[in-house]
Amino acid sequence: DGGITQSPKYLFRKEGQNVTLSCEQNLNHDAMYWYRQDPGQGLRLIYYSQIVNDFQKGDIAEGYSVSREKKESFPLTVTSAQKNPTAFYLCASSIADRGRMNTEAFFGQGTRLTVV
Amino acid sequence: DQQVKQNSPSLSVQEGRISILNCDYTNSMFDYFLWYKKYPAEGPTFLISISSIKDKNEDGRFTVFLNKSAKHLSLHIVPSQPGDSAVYFCAASINAGNNRKLIWGLGTSLAVNP
Repeated sequence: DGGITQSPKYLFRKEGQNVTLSCEQNLNHDAMYWYRQDPGQGLRLIYYSQIVNDFQKGDIAEGYSVSREKKESFPLTVTSAQKNPTAFYLCASSIADRGRMNTEAFFGQGTRLTVV
Repeated sequence: DQQVKQNSPSLSVQEGRISILNCDYTNSMFDYFLWYKKYPAEGPTFLISISSIKDKNEDGRFTVFLNKSAKHLSLHIVPSQPGDSAVYFCAASINAGNNRKLIWGLGTSLAVNP
């Protein structure tokens, strides 16, 4: 079955530690995204990648880092520099063809990160 | 500055009645609009979309209407069912250089009461 998988579902981190959230997709999508959702807020874009070995900052990239060494994988590292890391993190993928308007993004189940 | 606005944070309707969720946008360059549904602690799932060249798209109980002159779209759910209770996000798509970008609204929480 094709899909996008995030792991773990729940993650606890001590203050001052880096933590990496996993995102894997087997949909053959070129584009992958990381969003953050906080209570009462919409989805805010952290980083996105349209192609392997390339990625761009989104609206709230400070305190985060990503890599895109493989098409299928787009891990997100929440660094100790992120001031408010406790949130629900969502990974998504989509077709990146500029000519297509049909750009539905497929989302993973999310990772809830709590800093303790 | 929110380019995609969902001004109602919540909506409550009776089972069997119509649910109408609204979305306004400011950028006339948006050319594709999508609605997503999200349950708590899960990722959003795609629901229905509409191209800017159309004014209506229907899929079963779900219909999206687009009024380009008013920069307004709405999602109608008829009849509403308790399982429709979720947060609904409106998103608008636009070309951004060599990429396509999705701009999201803040969501509307729909409660369908039995």
